[in-house]
Amino acid sequence: GAVVSQHPSWVICKSGTSVKIECRSLDFQATTMFWYRQFPKQSLMLMATSNEGSKATYEQGVEKDKFLINHASLTLSTLTVTSAHPEDSSFYICSASQPAQYFGPGTRLTVT
Amino acid sequence: DQQVKQNSPSLSVQEGRISILNCDYTNSMFDYFLWYKKYPAEGPTFLISISSIKDKNEDGRFTVFLNKSAKHLSLHIVPSQPGDSAVYFCAASRSYNTDKLIFGTGTRLQVFP
Repeated sequence: GAVVSQHPSWVICKSGTSVKIECRSLDFQATTMFWYRQFPKQSLMLMATSNEGSKATYEQGVEKDKFLINHASLTLSTLTVTSAHPEDSSFYICSASQPAQYFGPGTRLTVT
Repeated sequence: DQQVKQNSPSLSVQEGRISILNCDYTNSMFDYFLWYKKYPAEGPTFLISISSIKDKNEDGRFTVFLNKSAKHLSLHIVPSQPGDSAVYFCAASRSYNTDKLIFGTGTRLQVFP
């Protein structure tokens, strides 16, 4: 139980384009999901808290217009990186509470 | 401001012996703590958690100890196995359900034969 999936697992895109990452809780419903990013050899940094049916709560320093989060159902949250730039290249990970947070496998984004 | 710290970036332990990973926190509002295991390019895997009303929680080879007065927790792995080699993160939150997690910097554990 408590399986979280992410799609895609890796993506390469050109600078200026937008990329959508999906996070799904496969065997439970999650009113709250979280989005993290991890740079090489660093810790996981929370980007935003995604609440089903309401606006996401962003951490300080995270641009909400650049990282669009939609939590349209109890099993799906999406993160869209708009107008991606090379500095957005990172490992993006989502999680859902059950009640401990269970994490997806992550998405490696490379912006060229 | 690093609210959750893991001061040992790496730890090397022989197979069969005990691995002890340490974590310190500064925010007294934290009352739920978790340990995760992570491999490169994968999401963290939940191992074990403890709430602030307890000082010990055990699950198989994994035991977490919490010392609230010292704001310190530790993860004990006994006996250590080569498959335990990974990066271990401790994390803290203010509630056990929907609050955000604050992660430590991680400790790379290597278990050698």
